[in-house]
Amino acid sequence: QSALTQPASVSGSPGQSITISCTGTSSDVGSYNLVSWYQQQPGKAPKLIIHEGTKRPSGVSNRFSGSKSGNTASLTISGLQAEDEADYYCCSYAGSIIFDVMFGGGTKLIVL
Amino acid sequence: QVQVQQSGPRLVKPSQTLSLTCAVSGDSVSSNSGVWNWIRQSPSRGLEWLGRTYYRSKWYDDYAVSVKSRVTINPDTSKNQFSLQLNSVTPEDTAVYYCAKGNYAFDIWGQGTMVTVSS
Repeated sequence: QSALTQPASVSGSPGQSITISCTGTSSDVGSYNLVSWYQQQPGKAPKLIIHEGTKRPSGVSNRFSGSKSGNTASLTISGLQAEDEADYYCCSYAGSIIFDVMFGGGTKLIVL
Repeated sequence: QVQVQQSGPRLVKPSQTLSLTCAVSGDSVSSNSGVWNWIRQSPSRGLEWLGRTYYRSKWYDDYAVSVKSRVTINPDTSKNQFSLQLNSVTPEDTAVYYCAKGNYAFDIWGQGTMVTVSS
């Protein structure tokens, strides 16, 4: 199975909103509400920021939101801050007969 | 709060076995709600889920198809930890290895261990 498709990079200015897309297939993103999003700062482990497509873990800013349309999930970050500059990864459940999850290739967010 | 702490060698020779351990605190590896995973990250392969173990009245495990023939994830209830063994490694297995807790989404991560496969 191929990884989920994300843009290599996106950029935005402080205060603006940006959206990162994550495109899969009808066998993964399109079939389940089990997309998660992670923020990874350099040299650190990924941090969960969205699960089950739209839910934020406790302590995650409400500037982060998730959505899905068809086979594409999206992460929107509103009110961009300098500290949001990081790599972002999507992940989706992809199993039917056997358990499997797959990640996207990652998107570098540049805050201008 | 739940924490996981990884340990293990950072250099493994080709054809040998990569072994890492993940110690769990703040939770029990044999709880009926926890799911314990290994994930790796490399520039060439990105983030890759390797497998998981969990207890639901008995122990279960699942493995990624890409490594299924070479990987074993075992719980150690006496030490409240779980381990990863990856056999017959090649330089392509060079990566940062993470243990993580979660089912479908991973909310607790270890600090990561950079493992290099080289002679």
